[in-house]
Amino acid sequence: EADIYQTPRYLVIGTGKKITLECSQTMGHDKMYWYQQDPGMELHLIHYSYGVNSTEKGDLSSESTVSRIRTEHFPLTLESARPSHTSQYLCASSPRTGATEGYTFGSGTRLTVV
Amino acid sequence: GESVGLHLPTLSVQEGDNSIINCAYSNSASDYFIWYKQESGKGPQFIIDIRSNMDKRQGQRVTVLLNKTVKHLSLQIAATQPGDSAVYFCAENITHVNTGGFKTIFGAGTRLFVKA
Repeated sequence: EADIYQTPRYLVIGTGKKITLECSQTMGHDKMYWYQQDPGMELHLIHYSYGVNSTEKGDLSSESTVSRIRTEHFPLTLESARPSHTSQYLCASSPRTGATEGYTFGSGTRLTVV
Repeated sequence: GESVGLHLPTLSVQEGDNSIINCAYSNSASDYFIWYKQESGKGPQFIIDIRSNMDKRQGQRVTVLLNKTVKHLSLQIAATQPGDSAVYFCAENITHVNTGGFKTIFGAGTRLFVKA
């Protein structure tokens, strides 16, 4: 079944550690996105990609980086985690063209930096 | 974590009643609209969509209404059930005429509480 997967589901990590949040999709979607969402709050776009070797920063400033070496994989990396990075991170994908399709979201990674 | 946005508005309804969730969108050039449902601890899930050449679309227990004159979108849920308790986000797509690509803008979301 085509889907989008995020790992880990939950992560508690110490300040200063480097972490990578994984996101993979099996739908062959060209576009992928990372959103940050505090509990009960709005979605904020932090990174997106329109295809392999294409990455852009989103509307919300973020200290994270992303890479897109393969169509199906869009990992997000924090070089040095800080308590202010504590949040939920949602990955999503959509087809390259055809604006009449919505996003498919993963279940999210809830990150806590202590 | 540090809060970066506003707390979501809430709507509380009695089980069995109809719910109406409203959304004001920003761009008159938006040509496609989607409603998402996000349950606690999960990512948003697609509920229903509507294109700008329509003003109403019905699904199973859900109806989306589009008023382009006032840039307003609403989601109606019939006979609301406890399982409908979630946060509901509207989203608008703006198609780039030259490239065929599109940009999606999410609304702030509304938290729906269903009272048994």
